[in-house]
Amino acid sequence: AQTVTQSQPEMSVQEAETVTLSCTYDTSENNYYLFWYKQPPSRQMILVIRQEAYKQQNATENRFSVNFQKAAKSFSLKISDSQLGDTAMYFCAFRRVEYGNKLVFGAGTILRVKS
Amino acid sequence: KAGVTQTPRYLIKTRGQQVTLSCSPISGHRSVSWYQQTPGQGLQFLFEYFSETQRNKGNFPGRFSGRQFSNSRSEMNVSTLELGDSALYLCASSSPAIGEQYFGPGTRLTVT
Repeated sequence: AQTVTQSQPEMSVQEAETVTLSCTYDTSENNYYLFWYKQPPSRQMILVIRQEAYKQQNATENRFSVNFQKAAKSFSLKISDSQLGDTAMYFCAFRRVEYGNKLVFGAGTILRVKS
Repeated sequence: KAGVTQTPRYLIKTRGQQVTLSCSPISGHRSVSWYQQTPGQGLQFLFEYFSETQRNKGNFPGRFSGRQFSNSRSEMNVSTLELGDSALYLCASSSPAIGEQYFGPGTRLTVT
């Protein structure tokens, strides 16, 4: 079974600064996807970024980028130029490619951006 | 394109009752997955439907069931409600061409 671990229950960052959220996972699969989702106080889950395991290049979406270390089974999210609207719970999630759409989530990290 | 919609948004039920939640996926998406979110257990996968067939199932009791219609809309049913079923129920849709899932706003179920 796959597991996803987020070791930082809460983090805070000053507006305009950079913050990194950690995620590790455990799997024997070689072909999978990794995701970061954001859940603001509205509770709407929003996809932030995705990474295919076969791609060596780290994914980037505007101010969001990941550091994907496949051998170490590590998948961290870096948020640059943090904004107040980034305040949310962030979930790391894993999905096997050949097993439908079942997502396995980590426990989440609450990120607070301070002005 | 319209996003994933879920109805109702809020529900209050009594122990022992049953409840049905509905999810309409993004147009063209044939996969619908359901998740339960609670403070204690976090986000847990319930089941996935694809082309009206259950494709995956999580580790939940048989009181939790679902179905999918030919238009890809999905319903989940919880029978004999327990206090521990109080949760945010999220559904997500996806198409085979993409790897990610898109979530609806959720249904907040409170069991008293």
